[in-house]
This record gives sequence, C-alpha cells and structure tokens, in this order.
Amino acid sequence: DTAVSQTPKYLVTQMGNDKSIKCEQNLGHDTMYWYKQDSKKFLKIMFSYNNKELIINETVPNRFSPKSPDKAHLNLHINSLELGDSAVYFCASKLAGGQETQYFGPGTRLLVL
Amino acid sequence: GENVEQHPSTLSVQEGDSAVIKCTYSDSASNYFPWYKQELGKGPQLIIDIRSNVGEKKDQRIAVTLNKTAKHFSLHITETQPEDSAVYFCAVGFQGAQKLVFGQGTRLTINP
Repeated sequence: DTAVSQTPKYLVTQMGNDKSIKCEQNLGHDTMYWYKQDSKKFLKIMFSYNNKELIINETVPNRFSPKSPDKAHLNLHINSLELGDSAVYFCASKLAGGQETQYFGPGTRLLVL
Repeated sequence: GENVEQHPSTLSVQEGDSAVIKCTYSDSASNYFPWYKQELGKGPQLIIDIRSNVGEKKDQRIAVTLNKTAKHFSLHITETQPEDSAVYFCAVGFQGAQKLVFGQGTRLTINP
C-alpha cells in the first residue's frame, strides 16, 4: 500500500522518559511534517523537512528534535517527557511545490503518566 | 498573522439536509484552501481544496466557495449521510502554501 505510516500507534510512558516516533512515506514525496493534535482536536504544525532539510520550525520546546535520515523518513525524538506532551502526533507528506496535497499518517497516540 | 477561525465547533443535522462550515483567515496573500475530514481514530484526509483563482469548486455532494475579498471560505455538504459524521478542518496555506494552518475543527453529526 502506498501511504504514510507511523510507529508506534500507541505509546504510554512515564514523565521524564525519552521516546521516539517514526514516520515513513512511500509516496515519493519530498516534504514531510510533524503535527501535534491536542485533546481539543486542535491540529498544529511542529516541523517540516524538505529533502532532509529543516524548513519550518515552529515554537516547539528544545526537548523535541526531529531527524530526517532520508526524504522518505522523518522521526521525532522527545526528551524528558512532560504531562503536557500527551497528544496525538501526526506525520504528513507532500510533493515539493506550494499547493500540493498533504497526506497524513494514522497518528501516534502518546500518553505521558 | 497566520490566523484561521472556523465555525461552528459542533453541528448536528438531519440525514438528507445540508451542512455548512465556515472559515475566515487573516493573510490576504494566502491562495490555497483545503478541507480535511478526520474520522475517529484516523488521520485527517483531504476531501476538497480550492485555489484562489476560482470562487467555487464542486465534487459530487461537496462544494467549497471562496471569497478572497472578505477572506472567508465555506464547505457545503448536501444530502448528508451518516458516514459524513466526522470532524472537519479547514486549512489555509501560508509561506507559499508550504505551511498549513488549521481551523479549530467542526464536529459534524448526522442524525438518522
């Protein structure tokens, strides 16, 4: 299947731990994103990479560090997890160029206890 | 600024009736306006988009209208069906549409 995939689907962890979420797309896209969706369903962009280069970095704590080993993968590492990090994290991708459709992954549900 | 306002936050309609969701935005330079549908436990999925060179676009029961002067656009769903129940998000492309800013979402419920 051609798609955007994320692992893990669910992540439950203790405050203070470090965790990573992985994203892969096989759509041949050049640009990838991380979004955070909070409990009120508000969807906010965190980062964007184009061909492994960071192009958008919103006001996100330094504890969040994205990494793109190649243009098909974008991972998100979170250090010293806090309660407020609990959310659903979505990866998305699109072709380079302005008005191209963004395709979203199924989400990773992170719960910090 | 990069502001997008979406209304209403919840909408309940009878099956077969029409539903309308509205969004306003702040940046007159924006020229890309997609709508996404998010079903429970899934990621958002594009259902229709419009670019600023047109005022209206239709795809079967779904249509979007754009008023660039007033900086608002709307999603219209006609002949609603139970499977239309979901959360709908408008979005606006900023920074050459490389960045999407989403509205707050509308939870649409279709009552049988």
